[in-house]
This record gives sequence, C-alpha cells and structure tokens, in this order.
Amino acid sequence: SQTIHQWPATLVQPVGSPLSLECTVEGTSNPNLYWYRQAAGRGLQLLFYSVGIGQISSEVPQNLSASRPQDRQFILSSKKLLLSDSGFYLCAWMEAGAYEQYFGPGTRLTVT
Amino acid sequence: SQQGEEDPQALSIQEGENATMNCSYKTSINNLQWYRQNSGRGLVHLILIRSNEREKHSGRLRVTLDTSKKSSSLLITASRAADTASYFCATDARQGGKLIFGQGTELSVKP
Repeated sequence: SQTIHQWPATLVQPVGSPLSLECTVEGTSNPNLYWYRQAAGRGLQLLFYSVGIGQISSEVPQNLSASRPQDRQFILSSKKLLLSDSGFYLCAWMEAGAYEQYFGPGTRLTVT
Repeated sequence: SQQGEEDPQALSIQEGENATMNCSYKTSINNLQWYRQNSGRGLVHLILIRSNEREKHSGRLRVTLDTSKKSSSLLITASRAADTASYFCATDARQGGKLIFGQGTELSVKP
C-alpha cells in the first residue's frame, strides 16, 4: 500500500533563516506531487505541483521554491523565511490520471 | 480565484443528529470531492462524485451534485463525536490534476 511521509512535524524558525521541508511517497511510481499551505481556520492554497522529476509548476509567486530530485521525493525550500510564511504545510500525492489526492500528516511552521 | 465555497463555516450539533454541509463552485467541473481534516492533521478523501452523477452514498455519507446550480451537499447521518472535523469540498481545475479547495465547514458533534 502507498504511504506518504512529511518531516519535520513541527518547526520554529527565525525570520531570515532558510527552510527545507521534505515529502516522500512509498508504494507508487511517477505520482503527481503537491505542496499546499493552510492558514489557521482556512482552506488550502496550492503552492507547487509536479507531474515528474524536475518538472515543477508554481501556482503563487512567493518566497518559496520546490524541487523534485527523485520520483517520489518533493522538497519545499526557502532561502530567507518571512513571518508570512508561517502556516501548516501539506504534501499530497495523486496517481497520474486519477482525481483523489492523498495527504501527508503536515508540517506546522512558525516563523518568529 | 476561489472555486469552492462551503456553507456554513461552522456547524454544531448533538450526537445522533444529521449534519448537512453545502458547497458552491463557479466553473464547470469533471467531478467534485469531499475531504475531512481532523485538527492538526492531513486531509482524508471521503467521496468523489462525477459531473454526470446526481447522488452518491458511502456508509453514513450522502453527497448530491447539482451542476445547473453549481452546488453540492454532504450529508452525514446519525453523527458521532468522532465526526468532529473540518470538511472541505474540492473541484478539479480541468488541468494538470490540480484541485481547488473551499474554505471548509468546521463540524462539532457534541456527545
């Protein structure tokens, strides 16, 4: 069966520090991968998605970037965090051609 | 732009009662999905209804879709305290496997 991992679970970082969040999927090949951000009490904002290695689409211009160095690995990064980067970050995967997305447990990021 | 909008934003009921949540969207869709999110956790897929379907059931869940009104409803029957969570509708953006999520309905079921 497929599983999706995200780490770390929680992170407190100072303004101006770098960021690296990692997401890996097991049990599937060539999945579509997604990064979302969720502000408190709000819906999900799609940040990036990828349909293959090295293929990244950005949905919202911002202080973040994403990379997919391996088929089942998706990384969210920032060179310098802003206070507005605080939030709950969710990674999801979807089988290519399907519609249902499957989410990881999320990372709670607090920028101080 | 926001595609799905849920109504109400928050709903509080007693165990055993039914809970109904509504979702409206703006553009044509291939399908509409409902997800549940327990506090501080990832989302869990509940049910998908295709644009050519009007009603779908899964256990205590009943979803309806009215494409002429661009709206959907999720009914949870005989609710339980464990149903306490936020519920989101999501529509496909007809491109790239992307989903557009609404703002969610926060459901509280009191024992």
